[in-house]
Amino acid sequence: DQQVKQNSPSLSVQEGRISILNCDYTNSMFDYFLWYKKYPAEGPTFLISISSIKDKNEDGRFTVFLNKSAKHLSLHIVPSQPGDSAVYFCAASPNSGGSNYKLTFGKGTLLTVNP
Amino acid sequence: KAGVTQTPRYLIKTRGQQVTLSCSPISGHRSVSWYQQTPGQGLQFLFEYFSETQRNKGNFPGRFSGRQFSNSRSEMNVSTLELGDSALYLCASRRGGADTQYFGPGTRLTVL
Repeated sequence: DQQVKQNSPSLSVQEGRISILNCDYTNSMFDYFLWYKKYPAEGPTFLISISSIKDKNEDGRFTVFLNKSAKHLSLHIVPSQPGDSAVYFCAASPNSGGSNYKLTFGKGTLLTVNP
Repeated sequence: KAGVTQTPRYLIKTRGQQVTLSCSPISGHRSVSWYQQTPGQGLQFLFEYFSETQRNKGNFPGRFSGRQFSNSRSEMNVSTLELGDSALYLCASRRGGADTQYFGPGTRLTVL
């Protein structure tokens, strides 16, 4: 039973345009959500997170939106750059810290930004 | 500040053998978590150690075990290896509270 789903295995966008990566979850206990980026032969790199008490969080070119009622979150990258080409993982946890911090990951979306 | 390091980076074993993987967290980080990444199942949580105690566990068989030392370094052991254990094993560390988790580069285990 996949509790975190990234339904698009891949996404291709032009440099300078917006990239929108989507993620759905089924577990109502999830309270904290994160996006990680992963290059081949490297571990995932933290990008941005959002707590369930918020519906938006921005960090530079990256914005995460959370729709709790739809159990959906999205990552917007504006403007997209070729260096953003990587696999993006959505992850969720029952809380943001403490003993019950346990990340459940989606299967990832391969983003390709074309020059 | 040095990142999370994992050794070895690559490992080849045969079915039935056992293997031990090592993880050194970022200095000052007391929590170490282990994840398994496979093409079919994606990234799956194995367990978390904090101050030498396992405080969270995923849905993996007892063949997968771990421990943490007083300096926060952690080891993961897999006994009686199966072909399906071939995967990238990732270690991640964080301070322990509400803090970002940082991943190491992983150990690529191949079971023949």
